[in-house]
Amino acid sequence: LAKTTQPISMDSYEGQEVNITCSHNNIATNDYITWYQQFPSQGPRFIIQGYKTKVTNEVASLFIPADRKSSTLSLPRVSLSDTAVYYCLVGGAFGNEKLTFGTGTRLTIIP
Amino acid sequence: SAVISQKPSRDICQRGTSLTIQCQVDSQVTMMFWYRQQPGQSLTLIATANQGSEATYESGFVIDKFPISRPNLTFSTLTVSNMSPEDSSIYLCSVEGLGRMGEQYFGPGTRLTVT
Repeated sequence: LAKTTQPISMDSYEGQEVNITCSHNNIATNDYITWYQQFPSQGPRFIIQGYKTKVTNEVASLFIPADRKSSTLSLPRVSLSDTAVYYCLVGGAFGNEKLTFGTGTRLTIIP
Repeated sequence: SAVISQKPSRDICQRGTSLTIQCQVDSQVTMMFWYRQQPGQSLTLIATANQGSEATYESGFVIDKFPISRPNLTFSTLTVSNMSPEDSSIYLCSVEGLGRMGEQYFGPGTRLTVT
């Protein structure tokens, strides 16, 4: 499975747009990119998944360049409740496959 | 979406004893997974549990230490055997997503402290 590299931590102010970049240089042709969010004392929660270009849902956008060697999770207008650890995963497209979690990015939102 | 519950939510155990963690899902699912998350660390997959077959363990995890049962499509147990302080972690189960592609649902976790 492709290894991912993310910043260990990030800080941002409330109301700002936050972009978290993940590097995955060895991504395979059939790999998808998935992001999870984890709050303290909870299990991870799926945020978004994409293969290429841009994907947007009700909580985030995912930008994937043409070479797919990196991806950027974009959180619009963050609030204090967005303080969490964000994990970038690379692998199969389906939820019935095992997940390999990297170190994650600890995002802290400052009032 | 699936709702997953785990029991116990936390426990403090003495070294050398065993603890069985239960994972209950409100829907029938084929694939269930068990993860370990050590304090301040990321999640590591322990094993994959399919109903009707033996669990498949990841490198570094063995059945004698972490026996798993999967008696039906809504339930699984993970036992942490002969515990040592190094087993102090959060243990989480997850199931395959029933909605969006690529999504897994995670339980709230069981926080285990071994003294």
